[in-house]
Amino acid sequence: QKEVEQNSGPLSVPEGAIASLNCTYSDRGSQSFFWYRQYSGKSPELIMSIYSNGDKEDGRFTAQLNKASQYVSLLIRDSQPSDSATYLCAVNQGSGTYKYIFGTGTRLKVLA
Amino acid sequence: GAVVSQHPSWVICKSGTSVKIECRSLDFQATTMFWYRQFPKQSLMLMATSNEGSKATYEQGVEKDKFLINHASLTLSTLTVTSAHPEDSSFYICSARVKGQGWNTEAFFGQGTRLTVV
Repeated sequence: QKEVEQNSGPLSVPEGAIASLNCTYSDRGSQSFFWYRQYSGKSPELIMSIYSNGDKEDGRFTAQLNKASQYVSLLIRDSQPSDSATYLCAVNQGSGTYKYIFGTGTRLKVLA
Repeated sequence: GAVVSQHPSWVICKSGTSVKIECRSLDFQATTMFWYRQFPKQSLMLMATSNEGSKATYEQGVEKDKFLINHASLTLSTLTVTSAHPEDSSFYICSARVKGQGWNTEAFFGQGTRLTVV
């Protein structure tokens, strides 16, 4: 069973702090990784995609990928109350397939 | 760009009736669309992969006769929940990949459909 695991949280951080969200995956053949944000009752929206080992930065967001250790993380700098949401990690199942596996999501609360 | 529109946003139906949900890619062609179901406080569970002009591929445990998927064009896929029951009440979400882009690129999500069966 190929799995993507996340801590369900809630992860509470004060406003302005760095929020760190982690995700591990079991399929070593996975090649593309995505972070989505989902507000309650809404559909997921893409925040970041990452394909290579290392860091990828986009504004306040940094995705980190370590394929050897099979984890991917998302850092949110200068967290804002509007960042409060559930963050879903999605992993593409491997070469040639279009399917994602989603983690259960981490609920983030940014305290004003 | 890359907008996926899902309709309706919410629907209430009586037990035993059928409900159709539409998923449209508004500004791009989508060779492949995906249908997910999400129960409260749970993650998205892939139900089926819908390919234009061919039969959908269902995930293990998803009843293909109950969840009918049609992908008649490059911009429209439909999910019909047949003989709906209260346990089918859930949040149904579609997503689509842009035709011509790689298999490992991101998918874009519709806004979801909240189905309540009474």
